[in-house]
Amino acid sequence: GAGVSQSPSNKVTEKGKDVELRCDPISGHTALYWYRQSLGQGLEFLIYFQGNSAPDKSGLPSDRFSAERTGGSVSTLTIQRTQQEDSAVYLCASSLSLGTHGETQYFGPGTRLLVL
Amino acid sequence: GQQLNQSPQSMFIQEGEDVSMNCTSSSIFNTWLWYKQDPGEGPVLLIALYKAGELTSNGRLTAQFGITRKDSFLNISASIPSDVGIYFCAGRVLTGTASKLTFGTGTRLQVTL
Repeated sequence: GAGVSQSPSNKVTEKGKDVELRCDPISGHTALYWYRQSLGQGLEFLIYFQGNSAPDKSGLPSDRFSAERTGGSVSTLTIQRTQQEDSAVYLCASSLSLGTHGETQYFGPGTRLLVL
Repeated sequence: GQQLNQSPQSMFIQEGEDVSMNCTSSSIFNTWLWYKQDPGEGPVLLIALYKAGELTSNGRLTAQFGITRKDSFLNISASIPSDVGIYFCAGRVLTGTASKLTFGTGTRLQVTL
């Protein structure tokens, strides 16, 4: 079966431009997560969607970052007025509903963003 | 954002050697997870630990959930070349429907033949 897919795989943009990153979760997964991974670093939580609940946006670094999830499936992470420090790999993950033991998050391959 | 302290940062080992890495936190977690990330890929879950003191094995991998719930270790026995990659620990606190993972800084493993 298909895993989590992300597009584009690589994105180069100029400082000040807006970018949109897309995530297609595994079919049937109700939870979707966005993380950011800077060079040589661990993953930094950005935002979390769970079903129809309000998203947990506590990890978004600034108001230039926003995310939507349409129809409970595809998600788009938007970065407005990109800055050089936004350069990183943006990873998406999805999982089934939260259970007693939590759930396993399955990661996509990531979008590598470079802001010049 | 918050990150867990993971050590060592990197290690070179010879094929066949055993490997040990650990993760510590000032916070308590309900679940500890260990992931491996290959170049150009997203992390893949290796082992999940749900109870304090739990010791779990998956093939050549063994991981333990610390009794204080603030630490975990991962051991790899008889390393092979395909073990090369970056290993991340992650802690999870379950509060209602929230399920954020806090990741460690990673251990880069390189194996020499």
